[in-house]
Parts: sequence; C-alpha cells; structure tokens
Amino acid sequence: EPEVTQTPSHQVTQMGQEVILRCVPISNHLYFYWYRQILGQKVEFLVSFYNNEISEKSEIFDDQFSVERPDGSNFTLKIRSTKLEDSAMYFCASVAGTNTGELFFGEGSRLTVL
Amino acid sequence: QQQVKQSPQSLIVQKGGISIINCAYENTAFDYFPWYQQFPGKGPALLIAIRPDVSEKKEGRFTISFNKSAKQFSLHIMDSQPGDSATYFCAASRHSGYALNFGKGTSLLVTP
Repeated sequence: EPEVTQTPSHQVTQMGQEVILRCVPISNHLYFYWYRQILGQKVEFLVSFYNNEISEKSEIFDDQFSVERPDGSNFTLKIRSTKLEDSAMYFCASVAGTNTGELFFGEGSRLTVL
Repeated sequence: QQQVKQSPQSLIVQKGGISIINCAYENTAFDYFPWYQQFPGKGPALLIAIRPDVSEKKEGRFTISFNKSAKQFSLHIMDSQPGDSATYFCAASRHSGYALNFGKGTSLLVTP
C-alpha cells in the first residue's frame, strides 16, 4: 500500500536553530500539505502546495516557515529560527486531486525545541 | 475562532456498545466532512467521510449522520471493540482537497 514517509521521526534542536523536515508524498499525488499537532491538541493546518507553489496557508505559517519541493519526490518544511512553541508533531499529507477524497498522512516528525 | 467544535473530549464505552461523537461547524461553505482515527504515535487515518448531499453514510460498523440545517454531524461506532480505542477527529473543509479544519479530538476507550 502506498504511503507518505517522513524523516526524521524525532528531532531535538536548540531554540533559534534552523530545522528541515522531509516528506516523500505518494508518487502520483499532486497536492501536498503540512499540518502540526501540539501534544494533546488538535491537528492544525499549516500550508498546502500544488504545482510548485503555495496554494493556501494558515496564520501559523508565518515568515519563519517555508516549503519546497526540491526534486520530483521530496517535499520539505523549513523552520528558519525555531521557537519553544514550535515543539509539536508535524505531519505531511498528500492527496491525488481535489475531488478524489482521501488525504493520506505520514506518521509525523516530532520536533522538540529546547 | 474554532470552526469545528467536537464533543465529548473523552468517552468510555463497554465492548459491544455504541460510541457516539458529535461535531458542529460554522462555515456554511464547508462541503466535505471526514472523520479521522489516530492511534498513539501514528498519523491520522481517514475512517469515513460524507458530503452534505446525503444525511447518512455507513461503512461497516461506522456511520456518519449529517444534519445540514443544524450544521452538525456525528460518528456512530456500532458494536464497539477494544481495538477501536483511539483518538477520533472530525474535520471539515470547502472541498476534499482544501485545508482541513479539525475538531479537538475525542479519546475513545472501549473496555473489555
């Protein structure tokens, strides 16, 4: 069964450091997303990406965040200068198209900012 | 602004019982309402989804009931099993490919 894969599974970083989280979406999917989940809280939308550009972003996705699809398979989330409140589980997700239903989530990357 | 409100926060049901989780939404532009199941350490996985042109959708033991006029939808898990113990999130979006607005989640425990 195709799946969304994410690396690393867990990253610990110091406040102010840059972090890059990586995702490999399902190969024939066209829409890519990042969501985050602070421990014990709901899943929150960060950004969606289609055709090599951001299609939608939330208020959380400020100038400290950026996304990139550097090649045909990877989709990355960069946090330029991490803050304590960035500590969360970050989920990558993908969907084949806007009318094809299921959004597939990866298992997440846990980011801990000290 | 919380666009999707979910209740209860936690739920304990005996094996064989019915688990009911409720959600309410505010944005009338929403037209896609999925339910996700999440086990500890895993990403959310789609359980079942509904669009507002139907009032009910059933897949196995899982049923979504949808009330468009009340802007509410609910998940019913029939014959609940211990393996159903997980966190359940309702969500809503303008379209299946758009950003999902999640509820705060319901932690379900099914006791043997």
